[in-house]
Amino acid sequence: DAKTTQPPSMDCAEGRAANLPCNHSTISGNEYVYWYRQIHSQGPQYIIHGLKNNETNEMASLIITEDRKSSTLILPHATLRDTAVYYCIVRVASTSYGKLTFGQGTILTVHP
Amino acid sequence: DVKVTQSSRYLVKRTGEKVFLECVQDMDHENMFWYRQDPGLGLRLIYFSYDVKMKEKGDIPEGYSVSREKKERFSLILESASTNQTSMYLCASNHPDSGETQYFGPGTRLLVL
Repeated sequence: DAKTTQPPSMDCAEGRAANLPCNHSTISGNEYVYWYRQIHSQGPQYIIHGLKNNETNEMASLIITEDRKSSTLILPHATLRDTAVYYCIVRVASTSYGKLTFGQGTILTVHP
Repeated sequence: DVKVTQSSRYLVKRTGEKVFLECVQDMDHENMFWYRQDPGLGLRLIYFSYDVKMKEKGDIPEGYSVSREKKERFSLILESASTNQTSMYLCASNHPDSGETQYFGPGTRLLVL
């Protein structure tokens, strides 16, 4: 699996967009970018994933650069409840059973 | 919405006790997983199951066993709890075709004294 690099922490004002970067310069052509988050003392929560096109769902948008070596998760209007650790994972999407491995992630703190 | 529930949020047990952690999912997922999460070590897979009565060892199965008698329920058993099994235990599930999208329960924080 490709290695990912994320900043250890970021701050964001409530109501503003939170842009969380992830570098994955060794990504292979068949590897997807997945984002999860984990709010304190809760289980991880799937957010979004993509291969090469930008993706949007009700939670967030995912922007993947054309060379696929980096991506940005965008929370368009951050709220206090978005304070969490955000994990970027690069994996080949398997149709069998895969295990998830989280790195250190980015601690996002949303301020009032 | 996918819902994965775990039997307890917090649990305190004594060394040597047999501990059962239950996980139930309501989305008819074939795959179910048990992880533990520890500071500095991240998420580690203990066991997973891809069908009823089927199980596979993950990275750290020692000291644990699992049971999957029904599709919706996956149990983690600590045969004789030890202090180094104090941890956050997370259950997850997914459909085999959903790639790496896994749905997690709220976690059980286990303290072994």
